[in-house]
Amino acid sequence: QVQLEQSGAEVKKPGSSVKVSCKTSGGTFNTYGISWVRQAPGQGPEWMGGIIPFFGTTHYAQKFQGRVTITTDESTSTAYMELRSLRSEDTAVYYCARDGAGSYQPPQYYFDYWGQGTLVTVSS
Amino acid sequence: DIQMSQSPSSLSASVGDRVTITCRASQTISNYLNWYQQKPGRAPKLLIYAASSLHSGVPSRFSGSGSGTDFTLTISSLQPEDFATYFCQLSYRSPYTFGQGTRLEIK
Repeated sequence: QVQLEQSGAEVKKPGSSVKVSCKTSGGTFNTYGISWVRQAPGQGPEWMGGIIPFFGTTHYAQKFQGRVTITTDESTSTAYMELRSLRSEDTAVYYCARDGAGSYQPPQYYFDYWGQGTLVTVSS
Repeated sequence: DIQMSQSPSSLSASVGDRVTITCRASQTISNYLNWYQQKPGRAPKLLIYAASSLHSGVPSRFSGSGSGTDFTLTISSLQPEDFATYFCQLSYRSPYTFGQGTRLEIK
């Protein structure tokens, strides 16, 4: 059973950074793409970027380019998303999600397994 | 960026009803369209990928159709557990935009 377990809620000041973790189990970690998707209150989800561990590549939405970094630690089957220069508009639930394309397949950018979400609140 | 327009934004229906939700892309996206269900406080759940392929474990009352710019999600006979919010999402090219959602409520 594939599971993605995320780190706990965070409260941050404007201008600071946050790093959210996503530990996976029940699958072969390094063989699937992982994306990060956020959802502001009352809004639709928003794709931020993704990583393809077996290609060693990352791909970010233009909106977040330069402000977000997605990494993985294969030894712990954990993916990370760091967002810098936080502002109040970054207040949202952040999700990690596994690409549905299949093991060792190029990502298709639809998501079959999701973490439980991490609430990040940015407030002075 | 490709824009996704989802309608209606909300919908009231009864158990047993047939319901259709539509999603329109601002330009052609072939069949790179996916549908998710989300309940309050929970992560989205994949229902349909590639416009019409049913994700494993999803009941057959859910179906998807369309190609190009116009897509539909149909629930053939609503069950109590289907009252939720539904999102479309394009996977044609970055950014992989989601629609604004359709909230399905009990009449």
